[in-house]
Amino acid sequence: DAKTTQPPSMDCAEGRAANLPCNHSTISGNEYVYWYRQIHSQGPQYIIHGLKNNETNEMASLIITEDRKSSTLILPHATLRDTAVYYCIVRVDFGNEKLTFGTGTRLTIIP
Amino acid sequence: EPEVTQTPSHQVTQMGQEVILRCVPISNHLYFYWYRQILGQKVEFLVSFYNNEISEKSEIFDDQFSVERPDGSNFTLKIRSTKLEDSAMYFCASSPWTTLGNEQFFGPGTRLTVL
Repeated sequence: DAKTTQPPSMDCAEGRAANLPCNHSTISGNEYVYWYRQIHSQGPQYIIHGLKNNETNEMASLIITEDRKSSTLILPHATLRDTAVYYCIVRVDFGNEKLTFGTGTRLTIIP
Repeated sequence: EPEVTQTPSHQVTQMGQEVILRCVPISNHLYFYWYRQILGQKVEFLVSFYNNEISEKSEIFDDQFSVERPDGSNFTLKIRSTKLEDSAMYFCASSPWTTLGNEQFFGPGTRLTVL
């Protein structure tokens, strides 16, 4: 089973920052936090991942707490196209380790 | 930008028939995966494949399922005798060998409908 806890749904106004929380209190020292999203029934899309430092790329920022038991994905300026289910996944970053998806957070961007 | 492709986009079959779902992973990737998603449910791992052999498989991946990389570009999932409960979206994914991360890139999926 997935080792993360996420709220089932969230709304965010278009143009505002969307902050999606994730709890992973049992994360191991060699496990990374990965975020994926799934727009409608499309294939999941990689967003970002991190171990313990905060990370930023062109899509989002990832803030990981110092104890690594929780994290927040930040979409800085949400658009309608960001409406999707967002998955927080912890996994070892080795070879072909599978992804274990939970139920994620359904993010709805409101015009 | 390179992407994973899958064919067909939609497959309809009769129960008991064999189906082959096809995937073309990103060309320099080394790890390959199949996942499935039954309508309204979670994305579930089926199998991972590396160096021409199965690395890991889930409980779902029973003897009715098989995977193959018949040439240097295709990666296939075969279901020998389909059941109604095999109706789902099937996603192929691939990932590279890199020290920067092993994110998996997913294809658009094949919707399998078993009647």
